[in-house]
Amino acid sequence: EPEVTQTPSHQVTQMGQEVILRCVPISNHLYFYWYRQILGQKVEFLVSFYNNEISEKSEIFDDQFSVERPDGSNFTLKIRSTKLEDSAMYFCASSGLASGTDTQYFGPGTRLTVL
Amino acid sequence: ILNVEQSPQSLHVQEGDSTNFTCSFPSSNFYALHWYRWETAKSPEALFVMTLNGDEKKKGRISATLNTKEGYSYLYIKGSQPEDSATYLCAPRAAGNKLTFGGGTRVLVKP
Repeated sequence: EPEVTQTPSHQVTQMGQEVILRCVPISNHLYFYWYRQILGQKVEFLVSFYNNEISEKSEIFDDQFSVERPDGSNFTLKIRSTKLEDSAMYFCASSGLASGTDTQYFGPGTRLTVL
Repeated sequence: ILNVEQSPQSLHVQEGDSTNFTCSFPSSNFYALHWYRWETAKSPEALFVMTLNGDEKKKGRISATLNTKEGYSYLYIKGSQPEDSATYLCAPRAAGNKLTFGGGTRVLVKP
């Protein structure tokens, strides 16, 4: 069964460093998402991406964050200068359609620890 | 900003017993409700997408109902098994693509 994959599973970085989190969505999907969960808090939406551009983003997704689909298979989230409060589990998701009835399929997450 | 609440936060169930728990959300601007099952270190697994008031969905021993007028959904587990132990997340969708998650109900099934 097709699945969303994410690498690495765990990333440790120093405050102020740049990190890139990688995702391989399900191959025929067109819509891609990033969510995150800070420990002890709810899963929260960061950004959605379609047709090589951001279709929606939350207040969290400021200028320090960017997303890219560099080739036909990968979808990346870059954090330019990490802060302690960026420590969280980051989930990638994809869906075939953007309708509310379409399932968003999630990857297993990347745990980002900022020291 | 949607305020999505799930209750209880956690519950312990004896193997073989049935259980249910709630997701409540604002009824205005409702578009769909997604349910996920999430085991630690694994991907959240999609269970249901529900859209219509009165919707009922079933997957094996797990089922869900939806009331969009009053803004709640119940998820039921019939005859709980240890493999049902997980966190169950609900996520309504209003406008746009984003899902707004509740805090989850952590279910522990005791053999």
